Amino acid sequence: SAVISQKPSRDICQRGTSLTIQCQVDSQVTMMFWYRQQPGQSLTLIATANQGSEATYESGFVIDKFPISRPNLTFSTLTVSNMSPEDSSIYLCSTLQGDTEAFFGQGTRLTVV
Amino acid sequence: GENVEQHPSTLSVQEGDSAVIKCTYSDSASNYFPWYKQELGKRPQLIIDIRSNVGEKKDQRIAVTLNKTAKHFSLHITETQPEDSAVYFCAGMDSSYKLIFGSGTRLLVRP
Repeated sequence: SAVISQKPSRDICQRGTSLTIQCQVDSQVTMMFWYRQQPGQSLTLIATANQGSEATYESGFVIDKFPISRPNLTFSTLTVSNMSPEDSSIYLCSTLQGDTEAFFGQGTRLTVV
Repeated sequence: GENVEQHPSTLSVQEGDSAVIKCTYSDSASNYFPWYKQELGKRPQLIIDIRSNVGEKKDQRIAVTLNKTAKHFSLHITETQPEDSAVYFCAGMDSSYKLIFGSGTRLLVRP
């Protein structure tokens, strides 16, 4: 199974600042996904990141707030920009093994104060 | 787009009893339905999945059933154990390979 390393595992940030979350996969993958999981809630898809093309954002998420990079087939970053307390959440990256089985990074627990 | 609904939101069972969690989906083009278990503070872990060309799949104490006509699928856990206590999420994969998750079920297995 794919191994995804995500960092940082947690951070406490001041409002108005930005945080970049990194995900490294141990094999080349076509698609990477970014999710948000608010406290006690389900996983909500933020965007899909394919190498060589712009990320595709889901309704309610915009590139200015959540810019994503996908420089190669093993790496992606998500930036949470101009943070507010409402951005406090767990952010998870994910990829697929084969074309279905999804694996997740360990998550980044973000607290905005 | 795909919409997945899940119920119940919480489920408490006695150790040894069975637990059933149900999900419905909206997109008839979805063809893959995984179930994830998430323990507190940990990442979701795949426990079982089913494709749309199969009606049932079993793996030891866990089984999943799929009714494509009615667009619903269910997770069945038999002989529950305290270590089964966790949050369970169903999901549906749409034609863009995106996983859309249900709202989650918090399962408590009482010793």
